[in-house]
Amino acid sequence: AQSVTQLGSHVSVSEGALVLLRCNYSSSVPPYLFWYVQYPNQGLQLLLKYTTGATLVKGINGFEAEFKKSETSFHLTKPSAHMSDAAEYFCAFSGNTGKLIFGQGTTLQVKP
Amino acid sequence: NAGVTQTPKFRILKIGQSMTLQCTQDMNHNYMYWYRQDPGMGLKLIYYSVGAGITDKGEVPNGYNVSRSTTEDFPLRLELAAPSQTSVYFCASREGNYGYTFGSGTRLTVV
Repeated sequence: AQSVTQLGSHVSVSEGALVLLRCNYSSSVPPYLFWYVQYPNQGLQLLLKYTTGATLVKGINGFEAEFKKSETSFHLTKPSAHMSDAAEYFCAFSGNTGKLIFGQGTTLQVKP
Repeated sequence: NAGVTQTPKFRILKIGQSMTLQCTQDMNHNYMYWYRQDPGMGLKLIYYSVGAGITDKGEVPNGYNVSRSTTEDFPLRLELAAPSQTSVYFCASREGNYGYTFGSGTRLTVV
C-alpha cells in the first residue's frame, strides 16, 4: 500500500538555525512527491515538487528537498529559519492512482 | 484567474441537518478531489473524480456524497450531519501529475 510518514509531529528550531523536516514514503511505483505549507487558518500552498529528473528540488522561500530513492525519503530543508516559517508542513505522494496521499503533518515552531 | 473556489468558508450545522459544500474550478481540470483535515491526521481523501460523470470513493467516504455533472463543479453533500464531520474541508483539482490546486477551505462545525 502507498503511504507517507512524516517523522515528528512538532519540530522546534531557533531563528537562523537549520530546518529539517523528515518525510518517508512507501510505494512500488515511481513517486511524485510534494511539500505543502499551511499557515494558520489558510489553505495549502505548494512549496516544491519532485516529478522526474534532478533529485535536489528547490522551492519557494528558500526551501529545498532531496529525493533519495534508496532511502525512500524526501526530506525538506532550509539553511536558516525565519520567524515567518512557522507553520504546518505536509509531505504528499502521488503514484499511479491519481490520488494525492498526505502525511500527518509537522508543525514547525521558530523561536526568537 | 480564480483557481479553485470553495463556498461557504464557515458553517455551523446542527446534528441531522444537511448541506452542500460547493467547489468550482476554472482551469478545465479533469481531476477533482475532496479532502478533510483533522488535527494531527493530515488530509484524508473523501471522494475524487477523474472527469464529468465519474466519481469514486476515497479513504473516508462514509456520510458523504458527491456528483460531477460538469467539469467545473464538484459539490460535496452531507445528508445527516454528525459531530464526527466537524472538520476543515478542502477541494482540489489537477491536470497531469504536476499541479494540484487547492481551494481555501470550508470550516464546518456540527453541534
